Amino acid sequence: DGGITQSPKYLFRKEGQNVTLSCEQNLNHDAMYWYRQDPGQGLRLIYYSQIVNDFQKGDIAEGYSVSREKKESFPLTVTSAQKNPTAFYLCASSDGGPTDTQYFGPGTRLTVL
Amino acid sequence: QKEVEQNSGPLSVPEGAIASLNCTYSDRGSQSFFWYRQYSGKSPELIMFIYSNGDKEDGRFTAQLNKASQYVSLLIRDSQPSDSATYLCAVNEYGNKLVFGAGTILRVKS
Repeated sequence: DGGITQSPKYLFRKEGQNVTLSCEQNLNHDAMYWYRQDPGQGLRLIYYSQIVNDFQKGDIAEGYSVSREKKESFPLTVTSAQKNPTAFYLCASSDGGPTDTQYFGPGTRLTVL
Repeated sequence: QKEVEQNSGPLSVPEGAIASLNCTYSDRGSQSFFWYRQYSGKSPELIMFIYSNGDKEDGRFTAQLNKASQYVSLLIRDSQPSDSATYLCAVNEYGNKLVFGAGTILRVKS
């Protein structure tokens, strides 16, 4: 089955800790994205990568870091510098077609204790 | 700042009725427009996309695009209780980034 997987589904973090969220895709998509969703709000772009070994900041990159060492993988690290990290984190990849449609993984819900 | 605006709702319709969801956008240069459905606690799933003015139909769903007026809408015919969800409108930006609206909550009452 082709798709996007994210792990873990739920993650609890103590204040001051860094945590890494996993995102893997086997769709052979070049581009991958990380979004954050807060209750009652739309998705906000954190980072995106259009090709291996390259990535760009989105609208709310402060306190986050990413890497793109493999085409299939785009992990997101939430650092202790992120002041309000409790949110639903969504990873997506896009097919590069005429409309470059994005498809989403199941998400990781991060809670800071 | 490019913006995508949606009425937050909730929009309540009876089962079998037509649900009409609207979205306006600020960037006249936008080329592609997407509708996603999101159930509570789940990730968004693509319903359909549109990039030409006019209507595009897919089963019970019809997307309508009017670039001159900068709005895109989604019609759901024969609404079912299973259609109850949040519907997200997304508009492409330069570099294949998407800008999302906050979503409209739809409730279909049986």
